[in-house]
Amino acid sequence: DAGVIQSPRHEVTEMGQEVTLRCKPISGHNSLFWYRQTMMRGLELLIYFNNNVPIDDSGMPEDRFSAKMPNASFSTLKIQPSEPRDSAVYFCASSPLGVGQPQHFGDGTRLSIL
Amino acid sequence: EDKVVQSPLSLVVHEGDTVTLNCSYEVTNFRSLLWYKQEKKAPTFLFMLTSSGIEKKSGRLSSILDKKELFSILNITATQTGDSAIYLCAVERETSGSRLTFGEGTQLTVNP
Repeated sequence: DAGVIQSPRHEVTEMGQEVTLRCKPISGHNSLFWYRQTMMRGLELLIYFNNNVPIDDSGMPEDRFSAKMPNASFSTLKIQPSEPRDSAVYFCASSPLGVGQPQHFGDGTRLSIL
Repeated sequence: EDKVVQSPLSLVVHEGDTVTLNCSYEVTNFRSLLWYKQEKKAPTFLFMLTSSGIEKKSGRLSSILDKKELFSILNITATQTGDSAIYLCAVERETSGSRLTFGEGTQLTVNP
């Protein structure tokens, strides 16, 4: 079975540029999560969706970050304009709705902002 | 604010050793505690614990939860070099959907 698919795997860009990260959740999973992982702060939840609707975006660092889920099989996380401190590994995870359903993670996007 | 503290942060052992990783938590309306293993890429799910005193086991790995003392342990027996990874502990609230709060992780290195 296909797992959570993220693209690109690596992204290197200059500060000020727009960055778009993509995620395809596991088919049938109704919850989707975006995380950021850094050495300093560990794994932090940025935002999550249930049935394509954003439920909690309190982890989004600032207005430069935005996330969308236009349908059940696709989500994007956009950073504009990007800054060097945004450099991190960004993970997408999905799970079925309901109690007792663990999240399954994609392989992540390693983002470097120069 | 939910809090998850893991210890030790780093551990180096030899193949064949047994290790115990610790996770303590503070969370309002606790639902479950989860363990993940992260090698080079994605965290992969190991266990979900919801009830105190019931051991979950998978091969050489086992885990148990104490909801009174607010902690969990992950045991790995007869360690192998392939067990080298970061082990992450996370907690989930009853009222937060599936939102997880993660600890910093324990970096385990198993030397041959």
